[in-house]
Amino acid sequence: AQSVTQLDSHVSVSEGTPVLLRCNYSSSYSPSLFWYVQHPNKGLQLLLKYTSAATLVKGINGFEAEFKKSETSFHLTKPSAHMSDAAEYFCVVSGSSGTYKYIFGTGTRLKVLA
Amino acid sequence: DAGVIQSPRHEVTEMGQEVTLRCKPISGHDYLFWYRQTMMRGLELLIYFNNNVPIDDSGMPEDRFSAKMPNASFSTLKIQPSEPRDSAVYFCASSPGQGSGNTIYFGEGSWLTVV
Repeated sequence: AQSVTQLDSHVSVSEGTPVLLRCNYSSSYSPSLFWYVQHPNKGLQLLLKYTSAATLVKGINGFEAEFKKSETSFHLTKPSAHMSDAAEYFCVVSGSSGTYKYIFGTGTRLKVLA
Repeated sequence: DAGVIQSPRHEVTEMGQEVTLRCKPISGHDYLFWYRQTMMRGLELLIYFNNNVPIDDSGMPEDRFSAKMPNASFSTLKIQPSEPRDSAVYFCASSPGQGSGNTIYFGEGSWLTVV
């Protein structure tokens, strides 16, 4: 069975400092992995996705994530946080092959301090 | 493209009333999803359709909930009768094709409050 664990429910960083949001997954096959962002009172927007191509995936707004099979991790990073990055971030793993039952993590709320 | 369009954006209704949420997926997308988001349970997949046919409705909480997709450009999620515990944000989403690597595109959500 597939599962995803976001290791931090809340992360606070100062503006201009690096961001690290951690995600571990479990999958019985080679999964697809996604990061979505949700700003207050908005829908979810795709940041980036991994689908078995390059292990380092670049997304929008300067975010990137690295797929590490040996560590079953897909952590999201950004070199320098901006105030507009304050939002909730969801790590997502694809469901069983051929289905669309994607598994969403519980979310990490990112706070950016001025 | 206009993206996934949901209506109403906000609804406040009294317990026992019927609620209908509407969704227009992105044109050309074969898959449509209904999700529910609450603080307690996070994001839950309620049901999804492929080419207007329900594929998996195992997430629908109970018989009070029903979803239809009469054509490729419209879907509804109905709650009858509504209860306060149904208060949540309901997201509609769509995806272009098959395969687990396909991106799901979300609408802005329908904020439902049942009093």
